[in-house]
Amino acid sequence: QVVLTQSPSASASLGASVKLTCTLSSGHNNYAIAWHQLQSEKGPRYLMKLNGDGSHTKGDGIPDRFSGSSSGTERYLTISSLQSEDEADYYCQTWSTGIRVFGGGTKLTVL
Amino acid sequence: EVQLVETGGGLIQPGGSLRLSCAASGFTVGSNYMSWVRQAPGKGLEWVSVIYSGGTTYYTDSVKGRFAISRDNSKNTLYLQMNSLTAEDTAVYYCAREGVDTAGYFDLWGRGTLVTVSS
Repeated sequence: QVVLTQSPSASASLGASVKLTCTLSSGHNNYAIAWHQLQSEKGPRYLMKLNGDGSHTKGDGIPDRFSGSSSGTERYLTISSLQSEDEADYYCQTWSTGIRVFGGGTKLTVL
Repeated sequence: EVQLVETGGGLIQPGGSLRLSCAASGFTVGSNYMSWVRQAPGKGLEWVSVIYSGGTTYYTDSVKGRFAISRDNSKNTLYLQMNSLTAEDTAVYYCAREGVDTAGYFDLWGRGTLVTVSS
């Protein structure tokens, strides 16, 4: 079964860029994932679907500051020109027949 | 407006039952794969169950035999029947629509409903 691994926390300064990583378990390097944002007191927000070749499809209204890329079993979410409202938990998620899997989430702090 | 609105959460005693509802607008529940996802206090997101457009259902191991996902196409509403509840089921429960192009990822979320299992 596929497993997704994320660092528990990350931080970056206002206006800077940050790259969050989601690692797929060995043997699953062709899996697509999705990135979701979970802000305090709000429901989750779909950010993008990210394929193994790095192509991605963003959700409605997601700013250009959010982008995705891939390398092997690693899937990345890059947020540029960080704003205070980007402070949130970020989850990667993947799927196969009959199962959906989340990573443990990364708590992003904007300094 | 395309949205999902969950209702039905509340405080329930251990061993009790609760039915969550998720009303959809702007799209047809029966034409999409639909899932329930939960977040326990201080924990991450956990997938609970999915219902395919054809009616096939799947569950995470911890709820198999206790939870049942269903839908009412006439009401455009998704449900989660939860039985034999324990404290470990305490969480915010979200319903989510899965992608139309490729099912499996969640492209629309509700705001969630809180279920607290406690005596």
